[in-house]
Amino acid sequence: ETGVTQSPTHLIKTRGQQVTLRCSSQSGHNTVSWYQQALGQGPQFIFQYYREEENGRGNFPPRFSGLQFPNYSSELNVNALELDDSALYLCASSTRLAQSYNEQFFGPGTRLTVL
Amino acid sequence: AQTVTQSQPEMSVQEAETVTLSCTYDTSESDYYLFWYKQPPSRQMILVIRQEAYKQQNATENRFSVNFQKAAKSFSLKISDSQLGDAAMYFCAYKGQAGTALIFGKGTTLSVSS
Repeated sequence: ETGVTQSPTHLIKTRGQQVTLRCSSQSGHNTVSWYQQALGQGPQFIFQYYREEENGRGNFPPRFSGLQFPNYSSELNVNALELDDSALYLCASSTRLAQSYNEQFFGPGTRLTVL
Repeated sequence: AQTVTQSQPEMSVQEAETVTLSCTYDTSESDYYLFWYKQPPSRQMILVIRQEAYKQQNATENRFSVNFQKAAKSFSLKISDSQLGDAAMYFCAYKGQAGTALIFGKGTTLSVSS
């Protein structure tokens, strides 16, 4: 069973640029969640995708957008990068089951630095 | 809105000793889940233990156990027989039964000395 993978591992961008981060979910999982983890902080929920549709969103502006593909892999896109977007971006996959805690399995993250 | 508070930014313990990490949360929901996650320097978040709010019995996973006090909205993690490999950042997290998001605290950095 393949775990959650993310690419790239590290990324450096300049303010105003756009970035795309990628996530491959664990085999058999149909739900992907994205989190932003600033240095020394806990992860904050950005959004979740279930069967290619956005299924919940945190307090992030519209310049944070995402996609989920038929194979359940996912992308996180951030436009007009700001210095405060520098963070570790975590992807987590799960199987959506009713009345279940739906354990989320995390990838190793992408470290984004905005200069 | 639900919130999770971890009041201990850093904790330390000696090998083979026991340490308790604190977590409190605020919610108006009656059904929810609580989790402790471990994030080592490798960054990959690993689930340590979970607790369903409707279960009164405290969860236990080998050397890890929780003290869940629903009325007090408290969810502490006890690590027994601490090992060097336990050194990591520990996050307490909340999820509503119908919710999609995990809500994390700010974390506690645990160091283990020999």
